[in-house]
Amino acid sequence: EIVMTQSPATLSVSPGERATLSCRASQSVSSNLAWYQQKPGQAPRLLIYGASTRATGIPARFSGSGSGTEFTLTISSLQSEDFAVYYCQQYNSWSFGQGTKLEI
Amino acid sequence: QLQLQESGPGLVKPSETLSLTCTVSNVFISSINYYWAWIRQPPGKGLEWIGSISNSGSTYYKPSLKSRVTMSVATSKNQFSLKLSSVIAADTAVYYCASVESPLGLPWNAFNSWGQGTMVTVSS
Repeated sequence: EIVMTQSPATLSVSPGERATLSCRASQSVSSNLAWYQQKPGQAPRLLIYGASTRATGIPARFSGSGSGTEFTLTISSLQSEDFAVYYCQQYNSWSFGQGTKLEI
Repeated sequence: QLQLQESGPGLVKPSETLSLTCTVSNVFISSINYYWAWIRQPPGKGLEWIGSISNSGSTYYKPSLKSRVTMSVATSKNQFSLKLSSVIAADTAVYYCASVESPLGLPWNAFNSWGQGTMVTVSS
């Protein structure tokens, strides 16, 4: 099983600042990597697929990068609605990271 | 816009079988451009993929759950379903159904649409 490890577990950032979230795979997943945002009581929402392609309707302040085993989600100029939990997921064999909580 | 809605019992007794259905709207479940998936999330924890199924019934299951999981598609009802047998307390979770949009008809893509989720508690 491919293990996905996210860091940090919690990230405290102020509105307007930049947030950088990391995700590492235990073996190469090429670019088969997605990022999701989940707010309390809601289903996850797809943000990024193919490591760097924004899903439909996702603002340009969300960007993804990386390939192989190291990936990054960057949120430039945080808005109040961006504070949530973020999960990475590899879809070579479908496993999720444990999540990063982005808090004010 | 594709919509998914989970339904099923909210309480299941230990050792019994959990059965959930996902109703798909605005897309034919028979479309070759989609796979369909189940994902769960225990209270306060992260996401766990359970399995995926194609319109023709090709399945991929998480290895650690494979012996207990059965997924199926009901094309005439535009639904797909999940059965998880011999449940234990650790199977208590919010269960989500989701879609994988894939023009090549392959399962290796992100979960682009999700249902709202349904809470299932395993308890006597």
